[in-house]
Amino acid sequence: GENVEQHPSTLSVQEGDSAVIKCTYSDSASNYFPWYKQELGKRPQLIIDIRSNVGEKKDQRIAVTLNKTAKHFSLHITETQPEDSAVYFCAASNSGGSNYKLTFGKGTLLTVNP
Amino acid sequence: EAGVAQSPRYKIIEKRQSVAFWCNPISGHATLYWYQQILGQGPKLLIQFQNNGVVDDSQLPKDRFSAERLKGVDSTLKIQPAKLEDSAVYLCASSLLWGADNEQFFGPGTRLTVL
Repeated sequence: GENVEQHPSTLSVQEGDSAVIKCTYSDSASNYFPWYKQELGKRPQLIIDIRSNVGEKKDQRIAVTLNKTAKHFSLHITETQPEDSAVYFCAASNSGGSNYKLTFGKGTLLTVNP
Repeated sequence: EAGVAQSPRYKIIEKRQSVAFWCNPISGHATLYWYQQILGQGPKLLIQFQNNGVVDDSQLPKDRFSAERLKGVDSTLKIQPAKLEDSAVYLCASSLLWGADNEQFFGPGTRLTVL
């Protein structure tokens, strides 16, 4: 089955700096890669996703890049703000095949210091 | 629109006891998921329903866990008997359509502590 590795497990940045979280996946058939944000004690919420037919996607201060050859994808947050502090999870799935379930990474605790 | 509802929010039981969790998905969502999130880890899919049929339960410990989604709406997840390692947050999620590339909306979760 799919295996998703996520790094780093914790990340501390100063407000205004950029943050980068990286994930690797094992199943070359995976073609859908969402990122979820989970604030302390709250539910995970989708913040951005990318499909394998594109290499990059942006939404205001967040962007995701995908390298299918290397089987890794990354989340980039620019101009970080204290409200960006949360746990971020990457996930992967093969939406068109038999392995259609999402496999999540272990998460990255991002702390943005004012 | 109303979100995914779950109850109870917290539950403390002793090992070998039974427990049940309830989930009400977003109205009209065909697909419902139950995840187990152990502290410090990402959610792990336990079971996925498409309407009232099971699509994937390959990671559900069937000797002690069971789930049902009668009438294709609400769902219950049961653990009997509970073990210490079942302590986790149990998240329910739903999506409008089948397929992992449809956005999943999560409920607030039920935090289970097994003593």
